[in-house]
Amino acid sequence: QVQLQESGPGLVKPSETLSLTCAVSGYSISSGYYWGWIRQPPGKGLEWIGSIYHSGSTYYNPSLKSRVTISVDTSKNQFSLKLSSVTAADTAVYYCARVDYYGSGSKVYAFDIWGQGTMVTVSS
Amino acid sequence: NFMLTQPHSVSESPGKTVTISCTGSSGSIASNYVQWYQQRPGSAPTTVIYEDNQRPSGVPDRFSGSIDSSSNSASLTISGLKTEDEADYYCQSYDSSTLVVFGGGTKLTVL
Repeated sequence: QVQLQESGPGLVKPSETLSLTCAVSGYSISSGYYWGWIRQPPGKGLEWIGSIYHSGSTYYNPSLKSRVTISVDTSKNQFSLKLSSVTAADTAVYYCARVDYYGSGSKVYAFDIWGQGTMVTVSS
Repeated sequence: NFMLTQPHSVSESPGKTVTISCTGSSGSIASNYVQWYQQRPGSAPTTVIYEDNQRPSGVPDRFSGSIDSSSNSASLTISGLKTEDEADYYCQSYDSSTLVVFGGGTKLTVL
């Protein structure tokens, strides 16, 4: 079955760049779907960060767009997140997920498979 | 910006039925499909409803979703409540401006 696994440093210093990778198994990213990142600060709700298509087209949350870069490496079957100039407000559990996006009129944009999440703390 | 508003918390007894609402701030919530995610403590979210009212395989039919255009809201109804249903529930939809909108989440307590 399709599985996603996040990896990366659990501690990042303020003003530095947070970098995470999501390894996909059981499905080839090149075959389709969008792939996304979502985060959840401790005790708070879910926030979409951005998504990437297997071709490399990217879509970002406008509130984070200036600091976010999402890329895909089809040869390694993984996609990555970089968030620059981090502050304590970026401390969160970061999830990667597969995105099911379709519909010509009414659209479906659904996160159908999630990774287990990885906690990232921003602190000096 | 389009927003989805959920009650912060709801509670109900085992065996009863509970409904969680998700109200759109503007436009029509029926314009795009709504998903509902369940998140148990310490776990990643999982889908319990997609396309307003569809259940993924493995989700019991005690879970149902609906749209009420008159109140511009979506609802998740859980019948025959079990203690295992205690979790946070998030609605989510598509928006042409921001692409993805999540509701703030509702904590369901089954007591």
